[in-house]
Amino acid sequence: QSVLTQPPSASGTPGQGVTISCSGSSSNIGSNYVYWYQQLPGTAPKFLIYRNSQRPSGVPDRFSGSKSGTSASLAISGLRSEDEGDYYCAAWDDSLSGWMFGGGTKLTVL
Amino acid sequence: EVQLVESGGDLVQPGESLRLSCGGSGFTFSTAWMSWVRQAPGKGLEWVGRSKGKIDGGTTYYAAPVKGRFTISRDDSINTLYLQMNSLKTEDTAVYYCTTEGGYGGHSHWGPGTLVTVSS
Repeated sequence: QSVLTQPPSASGTPGQGVTISCSGSSSNIGSNYVYWYQQLPGTAPKFLIYRNSQRPSGVPDRFSGSKSGTSASLAISGLRSEDEGDYYCAAWDDSLSGWMFGGGTKLTVL
Repeated sequence: EVQLVESGGDLVQPGESLRLSCGGSGFTFSTAWMSWVRQAPGKGLEWVGRSKGKIDGGTTYYAAPVKGRFTISRDDSINTLYLQMNSLKTEDTAVYYCTTEGGYGGHSHWGPGTLVTVSS
């Protein structure tokens, strides 16, 4: 059972948009930044969003992040087949003194 | 370009020990905050522990499931991070990733991972 809660799956058709939620608590999302990672099949995770809503260089602007209170969201617009994979949210937890990851959301592009 | 390469993964029996290494290049290793993150087969990501850079005191942090069994150390002279794993359990079976925690926080760079299998 992960400290951060994500839906196990999400799906959309090419060109559509999808949103993945991440729910936490006051000791993690509520008081720290949220980060998002993309893991394509058979590869290591990749830095996707930092500090709630910022994109590292090279990440398309189709990916956007937001945070409100103890929840965060990752939105992907203009879905492409190459977006299929697993998406994880993460935040530092002040009570546990450690990084907490969500359980991951498997994105399927139909 | 930042590069991280893990090594040392192996098949070991429960109760045994193993040491993983992570070589880094393309950044100032001695000041970098580094973490180990693992992923059990077919499961999600789990943070294992962190080592702050020397300039920040080199403090280490551990996740509850590994505290007291795993130790993170580093040799800044050869740009290498280590994970000493003792009293290994079957539930420690996972791919272990080395990461850097960049200036904006978060795990900005990841190595390809090394597989540790604990089985009798």
